[in-house]
Amino acid sequence: ELKVEQNPLFLSMQEGKNYTIYCNYSTTSDRLYWYRQDPGKSLESLFVLLSNGAVKQEGRLMASLDTKARLSTLHITAAVHDLSATYFCAVDNMDSNYQLIWGAGTKLIIKP
Amino acid sequence: SQTIHQWPATLVQPVGSPLSLECTVEGTSNPNLYWYRQAAGRGLQLLFYSVGIGQISSEVPQNLSASRPQDRQFILSSKKLLLSDSGFYLCAWRVAGGQIRNFGPGTRLLVL
Repeated sequence: ELKVEQNPLFLSMQEGKNYTIYCNYSTTSDRLYWYRQDPGKSLESLFVLLSNGAVKQEGRLMASLDTKARLSTLHITAAVHDLSATYFCAVDNMDSNYQLIWGAGTKLIIKP
Repeated sequence: SQTIHQWPATLVQPVGSPLSLECTVEGTSNPNLYWYRQAAGRGLQLLFYSVGIGQISSEVPQNLSASRPQDRQFILSSKKLLLSDSGFYLCAWRVAGGQIRNFGPGTRLLVL
């Protein structure tokens, strides 16, 4: 079964701390996506990781991809309240017309 | 620049009533179009996708249907809504052969 598993599913942390969200996937894929969703809102694309070893950074967020381990990480540095949201990872299913397989999402709450 | 519109933004419908949700994309041609549903506090479920006018692929058997009457218009319909159809419906588009799915603002549907 093709799966994308995120952990943790829920994370409450203090401002200023660092933390990492993990995304494991079971399918052979070389494209991984991170999206952000604010409560009651749509999804916003954060990162697209296209190759093994890819690393992308935007502000306090940094995403990386290890295709051999089938693992992506989203690292948060010195968290601020504005980063509170639900973060989803998804991978292209290369066996099914590149349809996305989605993780369940990680709900991140950052307390002042 | 490209934009994606969905309407209505919110909808409250009785069980057994029909449904029509509309999605339009501007600023691009021949996009791949997608309908997703998100139940409260859950991840995304792909309902339909389309690679061209009149071409619809269904991912999940259900009482919903989709149509693409024009290149940049994607419609989600139902003849008789069920309680389980409640959710947040998101339309997304992607440049054909591209990577990133760009999401619309969503329609929140409550079936009572």
